[in-house]
Amino acid sequence: EDKVVQSPLSLVVHEGDTVTLNCSYEVTNFRSLLWYKQEKKAPTFLFMLTSSGIEKKSGRLSSILDKKELFSILNITATQTGDSAVYLCAGVFMNRDDKIIFGKGTRLHILP
Amino acid sequence: SQTIHQWPATLVQPVGSPLSLECTVEGTSNPNLYWYRQAAGRGLQLLFYSVGIGQISSEVPQNLSASRPQDRQFILSSKKLLLSDSGFYLCAWSRQLGETQYFGPGTRLLVL
Repeated sequence: EDKVVQSPLSLVVHEGDTVTLNCSYEVTNFRSLLWYKQEKKAPTFLFMLTSSGIEKKSGRLSSILDKKELFSILNITATQTGDSAVYLCAGVFMNRDDKIIFGKGTRLHILP
Repeated sequence: SQTIHQWPATLVQPVGSPLSLECTVEGTSNPNLYWYRQAAGRGLQLLFYSVGIGQISSEVPQNLSASRPQDRQFILSSKKLLLSDSGFYLCAWSRQLGETQYFGPGTRLLVL
């Protein structure tokens, strides 16, 4: 069964710290991996990763995919209170319908 | 640019009552549309998806149904709500199956 597992489930750090969020997947036919940030309402798209070893970067956020070891990390440097959110990882698999499977998320809380 | 709307934002309904949640997309044609449910402390669960008018695929057996009466309209319904139907319902769209999905603002449903 295809699945996506995120760790940790919850993380509390102080403002200015750097955090690394993990996402591992078990799939039969992997296509791409997505990261989303969910604050109080709907998830907003952060990154799509399809190639191994190529870092995607947006401001203080960056992400990379390892297709050999079947995982991805999301890094946030110099965290700010506005980074507090649930970060969702989702895998896109080339099954019969190319559906997206979401992990349960990592709840990140940044203390001022 | 594309926008996605959901209505209502919050809904409190008694057990056994009917349900109708609406999702509309603007700025694109023939989108793929999705309904997700996010229960407290759990990940996103795909309920239904649609690749075109009148075409609905159901992911999990449940008390809910979906319809797509127009190209950019997706409706989630129930004839009789259960307590377990409470949750946060998200509608999403994508250009193609397996591509990045963009989420609406969500509807928070509480069944009492």
